[in-house]
Amino acid sequence: DAKTTQPPSMDCAEGRAANLPCNHSTISGNEYVYWYRQIHSQGPQYIIHGLKNNETNEMASLIITEDRKSSTLILPHATLRDTAVYYCIVRFNAGNMLTFGGGTRLMVKP
Amino acid sequence: DAGVTQSPTHLIKTRGQHVTLRCSPISGHKSVSWYQQVLGQGPQFIFQYYEKEERGRGNFPDRFSARQFPNYSSELNVNALLLGDSALYLCASSLTGLGANVLTFGAGSRLTVL
Repeated sequence: DAKTTQPPSMDCAEGRAANLPCNHSTISGNEYVYWYRQIHSQGPQYIIHGLKNNETNEMASLIITEDRKSSTLILPHATLRDTAVYYCIVRFNAGNMLTFGGGTRLMVKP
Repeated sequence: DAGVTQSPTHLIKTRGQHVTLRCSPISGHKSVSWYQQVLGQGPQFIFQYYEKEERGRGNFPDRFSARQFPNYSSELNVNALLLGDSALYLCASSLTGLGANVLTFGAGSRLTVL
């Protein structure tokens, strides 16, 4: 699986959009971008995934650049409950082996 | 519907002992994976089981073993515990072990080795 690079920490004001970047410059053509988050003392929670098109669900939006070398997870209206570590993972869509990096610790502040 | 359930939630063992951790997947999910998360780090893949067969193994010593039962529940066993085995052990289930999978994680079993 391709390696990802994320900033170790970010702050966001409550009610504002949180934009979390991820670099994956060595991604191959059939690797997907997945995002999970982990709230303190809980298991990771799936957020969204995509291949090359932008994706949106009830939790977030995923914007993937045209060259697929980077992506951004957008939480449109961050709340205090969105404070968590966010992991960007690039993987083939086969098997259940996820390679977690260090993630981004997002702190949403009132 | 119940999510992925793990037991026990917390346990304390001493070096050299053996531990068994249990996981019940979401109803209908046939694949279970195990991850180890040491404090301050991201989870690390240990095993994947699908239809009772091992489908993947991470870089862990032979002291770690697992199995999946006919009802798709799973056990993770760790022998000869070391202090470094202290971690949060996470179980994740998915519909299948092949193709596109969204993993649903349990809350984990926190193991402390003294």
